[in-house]
Amino acid sequence: EVQLVESGGGLVKPGGSLTLSCAASGFTSTNVWMSWVRQAPGKGLEWIGRIKSKTDGGTTDYAAPVKGRFIISRDDSKNMVYLQMKSLKIEDTAVYYCTTEGYIYGYHAFAMWGQGTMVTVSS
Amino acid sequence: QSALAQPASVSGSPGQSITISCTGTSSDIGRYDYVSWYQQHPGKAPKLMIYNVSNRPSGVSDRFSGSKSGNTASLTISGLQAEDEGDYYCSSYSTSSTLLFGGGTKLTVL
Repeated sequence: EVQLVESGGGLVKPGGSLTLSCAASGFTSTNVWMSWVRQAPGKGLEWIGRIKSKTDGGTTDYAAPVKGRFIISRDDSKNMVYLQMKSLKIEDTAVYYCTTEGYIYGYHAFAMWGQGTMVTVSS
Repeated sequence: QSALAQPASVSGSPGQSITISCTGTSSDIGRYDYVSWYQQHPGKAPKLMIYNVSNRPSGVSDRFSGSKSGNTASLTISGLQAEDEGDYYCSSYSTSSTLLFGGGTKLTVL
């Protein structure tokens, strides 16, 4: 079965750090761009960043609200993608989704999604 | 960069057609044909419904169609069904290699 499974969410204090993981199975993510998208409680979707495939340079891009605080990385040998979050703010509270970008369907379309993992930033 | 603009809500009766608009700028929707639409039901992950402005993934009903004119993209759902009720989000690739989402539209099937 083709799927993405996120883990690592939880409760963290403002200013703290947390690392989320995304395990890909049923397909080889090596040549796939991977993105993270978040959704604050009761709010809309927000793209926060991506990591390109190694064949496309393996570089990262980030949305302005998280640039300099979040780092996306990947370990293709394990079919894993990671989201390191530092200097967390209350407004980072959200469900975080791992998703494929441009896989199977078009460029910059998110075809596969994980179930999401909740991150709560609160004192 | 600001989110793309969508109406907060739309509604329609079963069998009717509805259209959801998504307005951006010349830096995103107006510049690239990388507009996608997603359906989200409560407590679930989003589902890709339209990609590259007007293409449907395998398995998505042909009642869903997409288009674009200038800086505005649109999603049309024809023959509305109860199962279509949910939240819909547009997205577009943008300059600076970023992705933007719309604020979301809640579709109610009356």
